[in-house]
Formats: sequence, C-alpha cells, structure tokens
Amino acid sequence: GAGVSQSPSNKVTEKGKDVELRCDPISGHTALYWYRQSLGQGLEFLIYFQGNSAPDKSGLPSDRFSAERTGGSVSTLTIQRTQQEDSAVYLCASSLKLGGTSGRADTQYFGPGTRLTVL
Amino acid sequence: AQSVTQLGSHVSVSEGALVLLRCNYSSSVPPYLFWYVQYPNQGLQLLLKYTTGATLVKGINGFEAEFKKSETSFHLTKPSAHMSDAAEYFCAVSGTYKYIFGTGTRLKVLA
Repeated sequence: GAGVSQSPSNKVTEKGKDVELRCDPISGHTALYWYRQSLGQGLEFLIYFQGNSAPDKSGLPSDRFSAERTGGSVSTLTIQRTQQEDSAVYLCASSLKLGGTSGRADTQYFGPGTRLTVL
Repeated sequence: AQSVTQLGSHVSVSEGALVLLRCNYSSSVPPYLFWYVQYPNQGLQLLLKYTTGATLVKGINGFEAEFKKSETSFHLTKPSAHMSDAAEYFCAVSGTYKYIFGTGTRLKVLA
C-alpha cells in the first residue's frame, strides 16, 4: 500500500513569510508525528497526534510553530514568520497506534520529508 | 528519561568487510529499540527493531543487531558491506509515545 507522503518536497521561502507543510499518513494509522532534521541538531521531535488531538506539543520550538490534524488523517505543520534557523528537513511519520499501556511508541513509518530553506 | 548515544559520526569500511555501528541507550523502563537507514534525499526506512523476546534481531538487507541489557547497547552489524549500504544510520529508543534519536552515523563503503 501507499506509504507516508509529504508535500511539497522542497520549499524555498523568504524570511518572515508563513509556510505550510503537509503530511498524508498511511491509511488507518491513528498516530502521526512530526520531526525536524537539521545540521548539527540531529532529529528532533516536534509534536505527535493521536487522532485529531495533540497530547504532546513539547517539541515545538516556539509559538511560531503550530500543527493540526483533521479527520484523523492529513496533518499540516505551519511555521509563521519564518526565520533562517527554521531551515531544515521536516519529517512526518505515522504508526498504527500510539503505543501500548507502557507508553512506549509503536513502530513509526516515515515520509520522504520536506526540505525547507529560508533565505 | 531516555537517551541514545551513537559512537562515531562517520564510519568507513571496505566493500566486503564487517560493518559495526555502535549504539548505547539509557532508559528507565525496558526499552524498545530501533535502527533506521536514510539514503540521500529520502526519508527514514526501518531496518530492524527490538521490543521483547529474542535479543538477536534480524532486519532487512542482511543487517542484524543484538540487545545487550548489561551493556545497554544495541549495536548494528552486517557481515559483508556492499556499496549500496552507504547511507546514514540512526538508532532510536522509544520514549513516551515518541522516539529519541541518536545523532546518526554516516557509513561510507570503499571500493
């Protein structure tokens, strides 16, 4: 079946503009995650969704970052007033379920990412 | 809290030689551990995972990893490197409903 898809694959924007990044998870996956991959910072967790709710937003770097998920499917990550330090690859992942009662994360399947460049 | 340390940000091996990528973890609960591979300009692909049971885990492309609780390690190995193995490899431990990733190891395979 289809994997996780993300769009656009590349986005170049000017400092101060807003951007929207989209993620389509694997059909039937209830959990969705956003990570950021930047040079020198590795892979950072941003936020996860269970259904349409986001119990953990602890990784969002500032209030310029927000995300939503609708219909238990598509998610959008929005960055307002972009800064050069926002330049990175934004990865989305989904999993069949959030995890067990232990709280440990289920296996996650990643999309190809969106490369964001802020000039 | 959970954490992951990958020793060696860059590893070079000759084609046909053993591949060994090191991962040590810290976890306050029995860990779930994962190895992912990332080829240039692509997302992360799951190589293998450990949750419970057998401590030697076999994955795709001939890779395997052994969970050693006493050493808090989950090193990735492959007996014979192939040119197509050149990529970046990430070890991850499951945190509370999310992954904690290591900083990655870039594998170079020399002809």
